[in-house]
Amino acid sequence: EDQVTQSPEALRLQEGESSSLNCSYTVSGLRGLFWYRQDPGKGPEFLFTLYSAGEEKEKERLKATLTKKESFLHITAPKPEDSATYLCAVVGGYGQNFVFGPGTRLSVLP
Amino acid sequence: DVKVTQSSRYLVKRTGEKVFLECVQDMDHENMFWYRQDPGLGLRLIYFSYDVKMKEKGDIPEGYSVSREKKERFSLILESASTNQTSMYLCATGRIRTDTQYFGPGTRLTVL
Repeated sequence: EDQVTQSPEALRLQEGESSSLNCSYTVSGLRGLFWYRQDPGKGPEFLFTLYSAGEEKEKERLKATLTKKESFLHITAPKPEDSATYLCAVVGGYGQNFVFGPGTRLSVLP
Repeated sequence: DVKVTQSSRYLVKRTGEKVFLECVQDMDHENMFWYRQDPGLGLRLIYFSYDVKMKEKGDIPEGYSVSREKKERFSLILESASTNQTSMYLCATGRIRTDTQYFGPGTRLTVL
């Protein structure tokens, strides 16, 4: 059975304090790994799609990386506006649905 | 930019009422999805549609039905709302089933 876990469950950072969020997955035949940002009471906002081990993608202060077992979302010099829940999802082989992780709740304090 | 809109941000209904949630997308995507999101349970797929009038059950279809009469619209129907259907409902759209999904703003449904 495909599974996704995320750690930590919650993370508090000071503004400017860089850190990483982890997404560990078990899936047969990974087709894609997806990162989303979700603000309270809103729908998830797409950030990145990674397709194969070794791939990296960047957007402003965020960088996502992928290995065969996990993905990291690195946040460099975060700002308070980066506070949100970050969701990871994977999809496996043909006919499979997305499997979402429980999310990491990030708080960046000024 | 992909735009996915949902008919209501907040909705309050009574037990036993029939509830319609509508989703509209402007990207000509083939696939549309309905999820519900609950604390501690994450996002769970209710139904999805891969073409007009075509649908497949997701992980938790009981108590729900769907309708897709036009490519851009996908409706979720609660035939007889119950209190355990109080949740955040999220619509998503994607070009293919196994690639990036784009979400709408969500509908917070409360069933009293």
